[in-house]
Amino acid sequence: KAGVTQTPRYLIKTRGQQVTLSCSPISGHRSVSWYQQTPGQGLQFLFEYFSETQRNKGNFPGRFSGRQFSNSRSEMNVSTLELGDSALYLCASSPGTSGGVEQYFGPGTRLTVT
Amino acid sequence: SQKIEQNSEALNIQEGKTATLTCNYTNYSPAYLQWYRQDPGRGPVFLLLIRENEKEKRKERLKVTFDTTLKQSLFHITASQPADSATYLCALRLLDSNYQLIWGAGTKLIIKP
Repeated sequence: KAGVTQTPRYLIKTRGQQVTLSCSPISGHRSVSWYQQTPGQGLQFLFEYFSETQRNKGNFPGRFSGRQFSNSRSEMNVSTLELGDSALYLCASSPGTSGGVEQYFGPGTRLTVT
Repeated sequence: SQKIEQNSEALNIQEGKTATLTCNYTNYSPAYLQWYRQDPGRGPVFLLLIRENEKEKRKERLKVTFDTTLKQSLFHITASQPADSATYLCALRLLDSNYQLIWGAGTKLIIKP
């Protein structure tokens, strides 16, 4: 099976702009989670989507949003970018049920805000 | 407050020795605990899962223990190799949570030849 893919891999944006990141999960996986990773903070959970519904949400401001489509592909959007949003954004997929709990991560999108 | 802790300092181990990483948690009732490996600039890779009713799990040179009384998991790599150098993350899934994982900050392991 193909792994988790994320696009784009690298992105440079200016403060105040918005950005949309995309994630395609492993075929058959219904859960997609998004994480922000910075050197000082480690992996910070943003949100998780399961069957097009947000199932879990982390502690991030409303500028961070996401959605999942019927084919399980997911997008996350960050509006009004701030310098502190510069990070590696990781998406992870899993079956999302008790039968399959480990997460498979994509390569990440490196976002730089200038 | 609830938290999950891993050694914040890098762990330096001589090649061939056993590396032991620690994951401690407080105020959680975990259903299971997972360990992941992460290389620089890449996403974490799943290694092992151990459930709350299991004491030990092994996979090749890897061994994980889980002590719910001590609220601690130990992750061992035997016969360590320089290629094992990476950051290792533990993650808890809680009982009664909606499949959400709580992540540790990770421990950087350096295996010296």
